[in-house]
Amino acid sequence: AQSVTQLDSQVPVFEEAPVELRCNYSSSVSVYLFWYVQYPNQGLQLLLKYLSGSTLVKGINGFEAEFNKSQTSFHLRKPSVHISDTAEYFCAVSFMNRDDKIIFGKGTRLHILP
Amino acid sequence: DAGVTQSPTHLIKTRGQQVTLRCSPKSGHDTVSWYQQALGQGPQFIFQYYEEEERQRGNFPDRFSGHQFPNYSSELNVNALLLGDSALYLCASSLQGPTEAFFGQGTRLTVV
Repeated sequence: AQSVTQLDSQVPVFEEAPVELRCNYSSSVSVYLFWYVQYPNQGLQLLLKYLSGSTLVKGINGFEAEFNKSQTSFHLRKPSVHISDTAEYFCAVSFMNRDDKIIFGKGTRLHILP
Repeated sequence: DAGVTQSPTHLIKTRGQQVTLRCSPKSGHDTVSWYQQALGQGPQFIFQYYEEEERQRGNFPDRFSGHQFPNYSSELNVNALLLGDSALYLCASSLQGPTEAFFGQGTRLTVV
């Protein structure tokens, strides 16, 4: 079965500290990978995406992620977080079989501590 | 470009009623997908429309139906509402193929 697992439901981190949000997926076919951010009472905004090419992907707001095919992971990182990064982060996949639906993880709440 | 717009933003309905939610895709996009996001959960795929046809469907009952119009806008209809249908309903538009999906702000549906 195809699935996305976000290993941490909440991640507390001090302001200006680095952060990593973990994501693993399961699929029998090749995938495209995404990270979305959701601020309170808002829709989803794309942070970054991996379609092909370099496995290190840079996105908006200083975030980056690395695709690791052997470990089926796509962890999100930021070297220094700000209070404005407080939000819910969703890892998502779609599948290279002309099936364009997106499967989302359950989300990780990033809580920035002052 | 207004992006993806959804209406209404909030809605309160009674159990057993029917509801229609609306979505206008981002300019130039031809594919609309609908997702249900329950509180504290990730979005769940309901169905996708392309060329006015339902292309694929997630694990949702037939009470959930939709439509896509020639201008690519879309409606989501839910019949015989249940308390468990309370959620944020998100519309996403995209082009066919492996491109990113753009999401609207969502419609918050509360069933009482």
